[in-house]
Amino acid sequence: AQSVTQLDSQVPVFEEAPVELRCNYSSSVSVYLFWYVQYPNQGLQLLLKYLSGSTLVKGINGFEAEFNKSQTSFHLRKPSVHISDTAEYFCAVNILDTGRRALTFGSGTRLQVQP
Amino acid sequence: DADVTQTPRNRITKTGKRIMLECSQTKGHDRMYWYRQDPGLGLRLIYYSFDVKDINKGEISDGYSVSRQAQAKFSLSLESAIPNQTALYFCATSGSWEWDTDTQYFGPGTRLTVL
Repeated sequence: AQSVTQLDSQVPVFEEAPVELRCNYSSSVSVYLFWYVQYPNQGLQLLLKYLSGSTLVKGINGFEAEFNKSQTSFHLRKPSVHISDTAEYFCAVNILDTGRRALTFGSGTRLQVQP
Repeated sequence: DADVTQTPRNRITKTGKRIMLECSQTKGHDRMYWYRQDPGLGLRLIYYSFDVKDINKGEISDGYSVSRQAQAKFSLSLESAIPNQTALYFCATSGSWEWDTDTQYFGPGTRLTVL
């Protein structure tokens, strides 16, 4: 079964500091990978996605993620965070050899940006 | 106007009651999904539908049923609500022209409390 592990449930960071949110998945076949963000009292919004090609993917709000096939990871990074980045972040995967075509989500990482 | 809407946004009900959550979308997408979100567990797939005549169970379909009334409408029912169905429920859509990307667009969520 496919699975997604987000290693940190909470990440506190000071404003303007860099941040990395970690995501690992388990699959021996090709995958599509996604990061979604959930602001308080809102639905999920797509930050970025990896389908193929360049392993460094840039998304909205200055976020980027790097696909590492050998380490089965897709960590999310931002060089300088703002208070407004405080939210919960979800990594998700779709494994391409299944007929399900639905996403499997990680348990989420709550990013808390402090002034 | 939002592309994916959910009604109601909040609902409190009692054990044993029948509840219906509704989802509508104006994106013209074929595919619709229902997830539930619980703290620390991320999002888990309840049901999904790839077109009006196609309904599939997800990871946690027990205790739930769905109806795809039209391309734009997908309802989730709890036939006899129980307290452990207290959660935040999200509807999502994706388009068949994005079949290979599975990018999903989420509604704002319905917060359901079962007493």
